[in-house]
Amino acid sequence: DVKVTQSSRYLVKRTGEKVFLECVQDMDHENMFWYRQDPGLGLRLIYFSYDVKMKEKGDIPEGYSVSREKKERFSLILESASTNQTSMYLCATRTPVSFGNTIYFGEGSWLTVV
Amino acid sequence: AQTVTQSQPEMSVQEAETVTLSCTYDTSESDYYLFWYKQPPSRQMILVIRQEAYKQQNATENRFSVNFQKAAKSFSLKISDSQLGDAAMYFCAYRSAYYGGATNKLIFGTGTLLAVQP
Repeated sequence: DVKVTQSSRYLVKRTGEKVFLECVQDMDHENMFWYRQDPGLGLRLIYFSYDVKMKEKGDIPEGYSVSREKKERFSLILESASTNQTSMYLCATRTPVSFGNTIYFGEGSWLTVV
Repeated sequence: AQTVTQSQPEMSVQEAETVTLSCTYDTSESDYYLFWYKQPPSRQMILVIRQEAYKQQNATENRFSVNFQKAAKSFSLKISDSQLGDAAMYFCAYRSAYYGGATNKLIFGTGTLLAVQP
């Protein structure tokens, strides 16, 4: 089974703090994603990465950056957290075409910015 | 740009009954994938069922089946013999079959919250 682990399930941070959300996958997948989930808006893509040190902006990248120094780890960074970044953050990975080309999610990180 | 629409924010079904969740999408592409994901309260989002657009046969996974109408751009999920454990938020999602760049991403609807009444 594909395992996607988000190390922090619940975080409370202050406005202006730098926040790191970590995601690790154990299947050597090339593609990894960060989504943000908000009620009534569904899931929106923040950033994705298709290999080590390779990244592309998604639909809502403003206020976020990412880091992928190793294949198994994809980090989402909030340089200066703001209250409108209070949300659920979901990391995901995609299996290769030969394994179904399917996206699997981590359990999510609930971030509250006060 | 592709869009996914789920017009039912909430649905309710009696245990053991059948319920159908609606999803429509818009795309100019001919080859793509469609998915239904389930997200129980405070739990991980999991894949329920997937459909390749080039396949005419509707996908089925145990009690879950889809009605895929490509011309109408409709992709509904039918849950038969509903169980209490089916209560969750259900998301419909689209992904292009063309490989590379932003086409890798899933485009989600806004979700349908399903309640199962005992």
